[in-house]
Amino acid sequence: GQNIDQPTEMTATEGAIVQINCTYQTSGFNGLFWYQQHAGEAPTFLSYNVLDGLEEKGRFSSFLSRSKGYSYLLLKELQMKDSASYLCAVRDSNYQLIWGAGTKLIIKP
Amino acid sequence: IAGITQAPTSQILAAGRRMTLRCTQDMRHNAMYWYRQDLGLGLRLIHYSNTAGTTGKGEVPDGYSVSRANTDDFPLTLASAVPSQTSVYFCASSERDNTEAFFGQGTRLTVV
Repeated sequence: GQNIDQPTEMTATEGAIVQINCTYQTSGFNGLFWYQQHAGEAPTFLSYNVLDGLEEKGRFSSFLSRSKGYSYLLLKELQMKDSASYLCAVRDSNYQLIWGAGTKLIIKP
Repeated sequence: IAGITQAPTSQILAAGRRMTLRCTQDMRHNAMYWYRQDLGLGLRLIHYSNTAGTTGKGEVPDGYSVSRANTDDFPLTLASAVPSQTSVYFCASSERDNTEAFFGQGTRLTVV
C-alpha cells in the first residue's frame, strides 16, 4: 500500500532551527508538497519538490531524495507564529495526492 | 468572492438527514477536490473533479456524492448522514490535477 510517515509532534525553541522529516512509499512519484496548517484553519501551500535537492524559500527550505523516498522541511529562525501542523503529500503515478497525517510543531519561548 | 469559499462553516446534523456542503471558487481552476480531515489521520480524498462535467471517486467515497455542472461550483452531498461522517470537510482547487492546491476554510460537521 501507499504510505507517508511523519513524526506526530515536535517541540522547538523560538529562534532555533527545526527539521521535519517525511518518508514515503508510493506507487510512482510525481512530486512532493509541504503544506502548513494552523489550528482550526485550512492548509496553505509551502513548497514543492520534484527533483532531488534543496529548495529554499526565505526561512523555509525543503529537501528531496527520490532514491531514499525521503524529504524534510527545514524551518530557520523559528517564530511563535510557526506553531502549526506541517503536512507532507506525495503525488503518485496517477497524479493522486497521498497525504501524511501531519507533524504538529510546538514553539516554546 | 476571493479564492475558494465553503458554506456552511459549521453544522450539527441529525443522523439520517440529507445535507449538501457548498464550495465555490473564482480562480477558474480546472480541478476541485473534497477532503475530510479527522484527528490523527491525514487528509482523505472523498471525490474529485479534474474538469467541469467529470467527477471521480477518491479514497473514501461511500455515503457521499458530488456534481460539477460548471467550473466554479463543486457541491458535496451526504444522502443520509451517519455519525461516522462527523469530520472537518475541506474543499480545494488547483489549476490542473494535483498541482498547488488552494483550500477553503473548511466545514465542521457533527452528525448526532
